[in-house]
Amino acid sequence: ETGVTQSPTHLIKTRGQQVTLRCSSQSGHNTVSWYQQALGQGPQFIFQYYREEENGRGNFPPRFSGLQFPNYSSELNVNALELDDSALYLCASSLALAGTGELFFGEGSRLTVL
Amino acid sequence: GEDVEQSLFLSVREGDSSVINCTYTDSSSTYLYWYKQEPGAGLQLLTYIFSNMDMKQDQRLTVLLNKKDKHLSLRIADTQTGDSAIYFCAERDSWGKLQFGAGTQVVVTP
Repeated sequence: ETGVTQSPTHLIKTRGQQVTLRCSSQSGHNTVSWYQQALGQGPQFIFQYYREEENGRGNFPPRFSGLQFPNYSSELNVNALELDDSALYLCASSLALAGTGELFFGEGSRLTVL
Repeated sequence: GEDVEQSLFLSVREGDSSVINCTYTDSSSTYLYWYKQEPGAGLQLLTYIFSNMDMKQDQRLTVLLNKKDKHLSLRIADTQTGDSAIYFCAERDSWGKLQFGAGTQVVVTP
């Protein structure tokens, strides 16, 4: 049990739709990052938020956007869904940007785009 | 290609030791991690090592870090069937971003 919770656990969307995924960080953690894990691959960094500001972004288009709230929970939004967006989306929380080694992941949200 | 490289598959007999190897490229990495992923599940943090250390032991797990060669390994002593999973190596940069390898599938046979 990492204390990082994600919702929903599974969802199915169609091409062109929009999706919002949610993450609740471990208590006390002020940094959250999102990763996309396609089938059979390692997770790929999407972006990171620190104290409600985006603080680093991977190679993902602008239709991937996010928010971090004052209670440090977070959302990942994906617009204009494409088939290749089908993946496991993982949220990770940590204390500060890289101050300690502990970086915990949630169980993920599995998105299927038809 | 991947900045972090791992072998894709390892088969080990129950009770033997497993060694999973990883090479990385970013010499400014702050921490290096090993995560375990079971089918359909998220990533479980197994252990991590700070970049100025060369070894860390935690019960059955031993991590070795060779900074000169940018080589990281995870040794699992007395491997059990419950250790069957995919193991990911990851490096963390000074901004907190993780770069993962493609994962090593470990299969433990009786």
